[in-house]
Amino acid sequence: DQQVKQNSPSLSVQEGRISILNCDYTNSMFDYFLWYKKYPAEGPTFLISISSIKDKNEDGRFTVFLNKSAKHLSLHIVPSQPGDSAVYFCAASPTDSWGKFQFGAGTQVVVTP
Amino acid sequence: NAGVTQTPKFQVLKTGQSMTLQCAQDMNHNSMYWYRQDPGMGLRLIYYSASEGTTDKGEVPNGYNVSRLNKREFSLRLESAAPSQTSVYFCASSEWGRTPYEQYFGPGTRLTVT
Repeated sequence: DQQVKQNSPSLSVQEGRISILNCDYTNSMFDYFLWYKKYPAEGPTFLISISSIKDKNEDGRFTVFLNKSAKHLSLHIVPSQPGDSAVYFCAASPTDSWGKFQFGAGTQVVVTP
Repeated sequence: NAGVTQTPKFQVLKTGQSMTLQCAQDMNHNSMYWYRQDPGMGLRLIYYSASEGTTDKGEVPNGYNVSRLNKREFSLRLESAAPSQTSVYFCASSEWGRTPYEQYFGPGTRLTVT
């Protein structure tokens, strides 16, 4: 039973435009969320996080939005660059889980010139 | 710092063979994790070790065993490999605490069981 869902397996966006990646979750106990980026033949690398006490967190070109009532979070990348072409995973965890995250299936982003 | 290292990078096994995947981290993290990644499934937690001397089952532990050899090293053993264990395996480490910390991943081991 997948508790974290990324319903768009792929996304194509032009360089310079905004990329919006979506993630939905079903477990109301989740209150800590992360986004990871993964290039082929490499392990995922941490991108940005948000806890449930916030509804937005920014880090440079990356912004994560959290809507707890809708159990939905999104990652915005502005502006998109060719190096952003990768698979993006969202992950969620309750506070007391001691690091046991549930991951979504990932969204493949392709940034075209 | 090498971060999280995994060996081997690739492995082909026959059904019924055994093998151990090795993982080491040099970030002095307390917690370590083993995941598998299958197409369309994201990463699923196999086992984790919150601290040296402890291990616990994750979401998909059947067919696997782990050993937390010391603070740096966490190995994953397949006693009798099955084709269903064909996957990419990732080791990760993190700080340890009540509030979840981001995890740092190794490059992965691509395992094929024929």
